[in-house]
Amino acid sequence: ELVLTQSPGTLSLFPGERATLSCRASQSVSTSYLAWYQQKPGQAPRLLIYGISNRATGVPDRFSGSGSGRDFTLTISRLEPEDFAVYYCQQHGSSPTFGRGTKVEIK
Amino acid sequence: QVQLVESGGGVVQPGRSLRLSCATSGFTFSNYAMHWVRQAPGKGLEWVAVISLEGDKKYYADSVKGRFTISRDISKKTLYLQMNSLRSEDTAVYYCARWRDNFDSLTGFRHYYFDHWGQGSLVTVSS
Repeated sequence: ELVLTQSPGTLSLFPGERATLSCRASQSVSTSYLAWYQQKPGQAPRLLIYGISNRATGVPDRFSGSGSGRDFTLTISRLEPEDFAVYYCQQHGSSPTFGRGTKVEIK
Repeated sequence: QVQLVESGGGVVQPGRSLRLSCATSGFTFSNYAMHWVRQAPGKGLEWVAVISLEGDKKYYADSVKGRFTISRDISKKTLYLQMNSLRSEDTAVYYCARWRDNFDSLTGFRHYYFDHWGQGSLVTVSS
């Protein structure tokens, strides 16, 4: 069973700072299958990135995804107030699997 | 625009049943596989079940296999989740989500991801 480990669990940053979120897979992941979602309190998840680095429609270009093999990164170049949220990585192998999330909070 | 609206959640006693519905609009329902994903209070996302375009293939997480049944009514553009023998650990917000199968002609890759989600329906299993 593929396991996705996200780190750190919580990231405390100031608005305007750069956020770097990590997602490590227990085995190599197909390029096609790695996605990132943003979730704010009381809301459904929202697709940000698919296929490792493709931004979903309407996602600002301050969000970018990168990585290969087992290690993937979501970068937010300059945090805006609306970016403070929980972020999940997800892959699809035999079934969809999510990481446990990284909370990006205001310092 | 694409809309997914869940309903049917509530408080139910352990061992009882509940059926969730997900009414869809804004897209051709029969062209997409559909999933249920849940989130226990204060926890992360857990995939629950998937149903194919025609409804002939269904797969479940081990935690719900044999107790939950996913189905779809193409004519009503609605997805369902029948939940039987409910347990306290099934307490969660249940989301329906559309599965996107996106072929990128530039790279030749086919991408898979959840591109639209409902707002969620809370199921509380408690005596």
